[in-house]
Formats: sequence, structure tokens, C-alpha cells
Amino acid sequence: GQQLNQSPQSMFIQEGEDVSMNCTSSSIFNTWLWYKQDPGEGPVLLIALYKAGELTSNGRLTAQFGTTRKDSFLNISASIPSDVGIYFCAVRLSGTYKYIFGTGTRLKVLA
Amino acid sequence: SAVISQKPSRDICQRGTSLTIQCQVDSQVTMMFWYRQQPGQSLTLIATANQGSEATYESGFVIDKFPISRPNLTFSTLTVSNMSPEDSSIYLCSVSTGTGALYEQYFGPGTRLTVT
Repeated sequence: GQQLNQSPQSMFIQEGEDVSMNCTSSSIFNTWLWYKQDPGEGPVLLIALYKAGELTSNGRLTAQFGTTRKDSFLNISASIPSDVGIYFCAVRLSGTYKYIFGTGTRLKVLA
Repeated sequence: SAVISQKPSRDICQRGTSLTIQCQVDSQVTMMFWYRQQPGQSLTLIATANQGSEATYESGFVIDKFPISRPNLTFSTLTVSNMSPEDSSIYLCSVSTGTGALYEQYFGPGTRLTVT
């Protein structure tokens, strides 16, 4: 089936550093979403991308929809301890309202 | 956006029993979904909960094991039947809202199920 691969799988960073992660697919998708999941919680929507090449920001978060429509990047600037969690990308399956999720990037921030 | 609540938030159940999870949304939505998240894993779609008709299940999931009800546009239930330890997971309700091509998906807080 279709698969979304995220990298890195996990990362440790120092507080204040910038973080970059990506999500890739072998198929083209027209809607990409980024989520953050805290322990014991449901995923929370961070950014939605609808147009190839689009760059969208939400506070310290910036996400880009790749021009090939097969990838997306999420950047976090000046990380803080509460950025700890698992970040998932998701894409909408064409012709449906269903989404599939990436493998996740686990972020740990060292104070 | 949508505000979604789930009950129970967590439960510990014995194998062979069944558990029904409730999902309530603060507004009427057409699209409701149920996901499973196994320990340390990503989210896997179980089924689409259709109002007024049978749920649509993804490959690997069947109605006998995961019966779903959708009596109206704000509520759905998922039952995990004849449970085994392999069913220990977080079960998440979600809704898709938007207009035209601009649809987003929102999640409830999840139900953490442990089967002993």
C-alpha cells in the first residue's frame, strides 16, 4: 500500500536550535498535513498545505509543500522544551476524505 | 475546526470481553473516522463511520471485530470485540471538515486500551 516515510526517525536537539524534518512519498498527493502528538494525547493539527511549492508558517513552525507533490518539510525554529513529541505528516487520498499517516519523527529537546 | 471528546479515556480489559468507545463532536460533521495506534507506531485507519449506513472498513479490519455505529452527525461508537492482548492500542476518533478542496482532519484525545 501507499507509504509515507519520515526522517529522521528520532532526534535529540539542544534548546534554542532549529529543527528540520521531512516526509516523502512515492505517489503524488495534493493535500499534506503536519501534526504533533504529545504523550497520552491525540494528534494536534499544526499546518495544512494545499498547493505545490507553498510555504506556510504557524509561529515558530514553517512547512513547505514540495514542488513534485511527493514530499514536504517541517522546520521548527528556536526549539523549546515543549516542542518535545512525535511529529506526523499525513496526506489526503485522492477522491476521498481519508488520510494516511507517516511513520513519525520523535523529537526530544535537551534543556 | 472541531472539538472532539472520547469516552472512556482509558481502560484495562480482560481478553475475550468487548469494549465500546464513544466519540462526540461539538458540531455536525459528515466525515468521521476511527484510527488505531499501536504502541510506538503511527496511526492506521480502521474505518469510515457513515451516518445512516454501514461503516466502510479498510483492508485488514472487519465489522465483526470492530462494529461501528453512527446514529447522527455528531456521535459515533467503535466496539472492540472479543479482545486479545494484540488489541492493546490507542483508538482515535477523527473528523474531516472543510470546503471544496480545503479539508483538514481533527482528532479526539484517544482511548488507551490495555488488554490483559
